[in-house]
Amino acid sequence: AQSVTQLDSQVPVFEEAPVELRCNYSSSVSVYLFWYVQYPNQGLQLLLKYLSGSTLVKGINGFEAEFNKSQTSFHLRKPSVHISDTAEYFCAVSEAGNQFYFGTGTSLTVIP
Amino acid sequence: DSGVTQTPKHLITATGQRVTLRCSPRSGDLSVYWYQQSLDQGLQFLIQYYNGEERAKGNILERFSAQQFPDLHSELNLSSLELGDSALYFCASSVLAGASTDTQYFGPGTRLTVL
Repeated sequence: AQSVTQLDSQVPVFEEAPVELRCNYSSSVSVYLFWYVQYPNQGLQLLLKYLSGSTLVKGINGFEAEFNKSQTSFHLRKPSVHISDTAEYFCAVSEAGNQFYFGTGTSLTVIP
Repeated sequence: DSGVTQTPKHLITATGQRVTLRCSPRSGDLSVYWYQQSLDQGLQFLIQYYNGEERAKGNILERFSAQQFPDLHSELNLSSLELGDSALYFCASSVLAGASTDTQYFGPGTRLTVL
């Protein structure tokens, strides 16, 4: 089975600074990769997903992620964060067969 | 607002009891997924239904069961509840059957507290 590792449980960053949230997965077989965001007291919302093609994926709210097959990573980046980006971010991996595996989440706190 | 609704928002019950959580998918979505989010285990996929049929099964306990009805709403039944079942339960829906590639839209969740 897959395992998804989000290396940082909490990431504080100053407003307008860049941020990278790290995600690594275990299996190198064909996978699909996702980043979700969870704002306080809300459900998860899809930020972006990688299914195939270009390894650089652009999502909503200025986020992007890069799929690196050799390093089995799918790190999320944003060049300049806003207060409104404060939330929990989840990396998820799925394989053919509909199983979905989530990381434990990274809590991003943007400091004014 | 994702268009997925879940009721109730909060549920407090005692050990040994049985509860039912309800989910209405977005209009037009045929797939419903259930997830459990707890502090110690993170977000775990429980089960998926597509157009009334079970499609995929994750880490769902035998004490838990789910079904999807002809109007496409779904219910998750949790029985013989234990303290460790306290968690946030999310429902998600998508248009197609393929969770691997299809975008899932999450509801706001039901917070279950077992005392």
